[in-house]
Amino acid sequence: GESVGLHLPTLSVQEGDNSIINCAYSNSASDYFIWYKQESGKGPQFIIDIRSNMDKRQGQRVTVLLNKTVKHLSLQIAATQPGDSAVYFCAENDWAFQNFVFGPGTRLSVLP
Amino acid sequence: GAVVSQHPSWVICKSGTSVKIECRSLDFQATTMFWYRQFPKQSLMLMATSNEGSKATYEQGVEKDKFLINHASLTLSTLTVTSAHPEDSSFYICSASGTSDSYEQYFGPGTRLTVT
Repeated sequence: GESVGLHLPTLSVQEGDNSIINCAYSNSASDYFIWYKQESGKGPQFIIDIRSNMDKRQGQRVTVLLNKTVKHLSLQIAATQPGDSAVYFCAENDWAFQNFVFGPGTRLSVLP
Repeated sequence: GAVVSQHPSWVICKSGTSVKIECRSLDFQATTMFWYRQFPKQSLMLMATSNEGSKATYEQGVEKDKFLINHASLTLSTLTVTSAHPEDSSFYICSASGTSDSYEQYFGPGTRLTVT
């Protein structure tokens, strides 16, 4: 299930199930989006990206969906594995400002 | 792939002292480097953007005299936390962008700063 903690929402899934992590972004001018995975004590790790001229992009076991109408981004992880346990951040970029703005993050917990 | 390193990976210092954190791009030239701060269970917050050879641009609310950023070469940026206080204890992460027309950012592993 999904719950909201004091700072970080948590999603718990059974090993082998599919995971869907959601992200709402705020800037309608954002035209590039990235999903990052961050394990405890480490820097963010690139997972997958998507540009605003696309609504879906697939990688290995991961799919990113972009709905510009409602400013929503999702990350789907197929056949979730224990190694997928981490905090996942979406980041949006408005090219005019160069830097990325990160979402609050979602902690994914994979249950055995 | 592009690799960014940070040094040290963790540091403990006494209140009132200064700490320097290095960020290096190991196999590419970083025209732009970004410094982020991350408190426990929170997202990354951009502190400043630095372009090689020019002054850093700080985000609103970040004290430029407290967080000194130097980007003297295309492979090295440093963040110095001056007169550190316990509330500066955090995870500091840098990222680097290779070209001015690229969105791609490569993140360092982060530096854990604890001020006692």
